[in-house]
Amino acid sequence: GAVVSQHPSRVICKSGTSVKIECRSLDFQATTMFWYRQFPKKSLMLMATSNEGSKATYEQGVEKDKFLINHASLTLSTLTVTSAHPEDSSFYICSARDLVSNQPQHFGDGTRLSIL
Amino acid sequence: QQQVKQSPQSLIVQKGGISIINCAYENTAFDYFPWYQQFPGKGPALLIAIRPDVSEKKEGRFTISFNKSAKQFSLHIMDSQPGDSATYFCAASSALNKFYFGSGTKLNVKP
Repeated sequence: GAVVSQHPSRVICKSGTSVKIECRSLDFQATTMFWYRQFPKKSLMLMATSNEGSKATYEQGVEKDKFLINHASLTLSTLTVTSAHPEDSSFYICSARDLVSNQPQHFGDGTRLSIL
Repeated sequence: QQQVKQSPQSLIVQKGGISIINCAYENTAFDYFPWYQQFPGKGPALLIAIRPDVSEKKEGRFTISFNKSAKQFSLHIMDSQPGDSATYFCAASSALNKFYFGSGTKLNVKP
């Protein structure tokens, strides 16, 4: 089946640094990718939707300059958390969808981000 | 405003029993209703999904019941096993675009 790979699976860094998370679709072309944030014991909150080659659409309340999303190719999207602070610590999950096949989203295994 | 409401928040079931999780939605434009299973530290995995043109869908031990008039759908896990212990999320979307997730149900199946 379709696989979405997310890297790294876990990252710990100091406050003020920027962190990049990669999301790759391994066996299909992801025309659309979604980025979610999940707090402990909570549901997934959609942060933004990105279509290949165009700017991401951010959900209300999500800071565009804080969470930079790039979807430069049909198999790769990146989320960069800029100048990360402890409140940015969370579980970030991407999902990818192939619009051509009209199949639903496939989720990655998430990235646990801890800011000290 | 929460688009999809899920209950219960947590559920304890004995091995071999039936686990039932319920969801309700408001937006009649939703046309795709999946259920996801999530283990700690992992992303959600699609379990089963239904579209509103059918009232029930079964895959192995997992069944979705869908009531379009009531705008409700539920997941039934038959013969629940300890390996089914996980958090379950319902979701809804329109034309497979944005997914709106329920708040999750933590299922614990006792051996």
